[in-house]
Amino acid sequence: AQRVTQPEKLLSVFKGAPVELKCNYSYSGSPELFWYVQYSRQRLQLLLRHISRESIKGFTADLNKGETSFHLKKPFAQEEDSAMYYCALAARNFNKFYFGSGTKLNVKP
Amino acid sequence: GAGVSQTPSNKVTEKGKYVELRCDPISGHTALYWYRQSLGQGPEFLIYFQGTGAADDSGLPNDRFFAVRPEGSVSTLKIQRTERGDSAVYLCASSLGGTYNEQFFGPGTRLTVL
Repeated sequence: AQRVTQPEKLLSVFKGAPVELKCNYSYSGSPELFWYVQYSRQRLQLLLRHISRESIKGFTADLNKGETSFHLKKPFAQEEDSAMYYCALAARNFNKFYFGSGTKLNVKP
Repeated sequence: GAGVSQTPSNKVTEKGKYVELRCDPISGHTALYWYRQSLGQGPEFLIYFQGTGAADDSGLPNDRFFAVRPEGSVSTLKIQRTERGDSAVYLCASSLGGTYNEQFFGPGTRLTVL
């Protein structure tokens, strides 16, 4: 069965420290993976997608098919990065998306 | 331009009642998704529309849930005989459709069933 797992509900780091938000997936086909972010009192929005191999706001994520992971990383966290982060997997030609339960990132000054 | 809008923003109803939740997608977006988000969980897929047709409704939990998109734009999620377990935030998202196109989310409707 398709599944996205985010093992950490809360991650607290100090400003300037490296951040890694974990995401593991289970999917029988070729996965399309995404990270979504929700800042306080804002809508859920796309942060990055693996196909684009882009870096957004200093965040990157590498798809590791061997470990079935898509961890989100940033070398130096900023206070404005504090938000809820959701990993998501697209299935069935983008007809259906599976989201993880989310990780709340708290960047302390 | 205007983003995805959802009405009402909050809905309180009694167990057993019928509710309708509305979603106005971004103009020109052919794909529309409904999700349900319970407290402490991520969005859970309910249904996907491509144009007017429901291309994938495999996420609807039971036959009390139904959604329509008669003209390929506005969509309505309908819940019959509501139960307390239906309490959640219902999210709508739209996209240009096709592969890799970004989903844009609405603010959600918070449904509370007493």
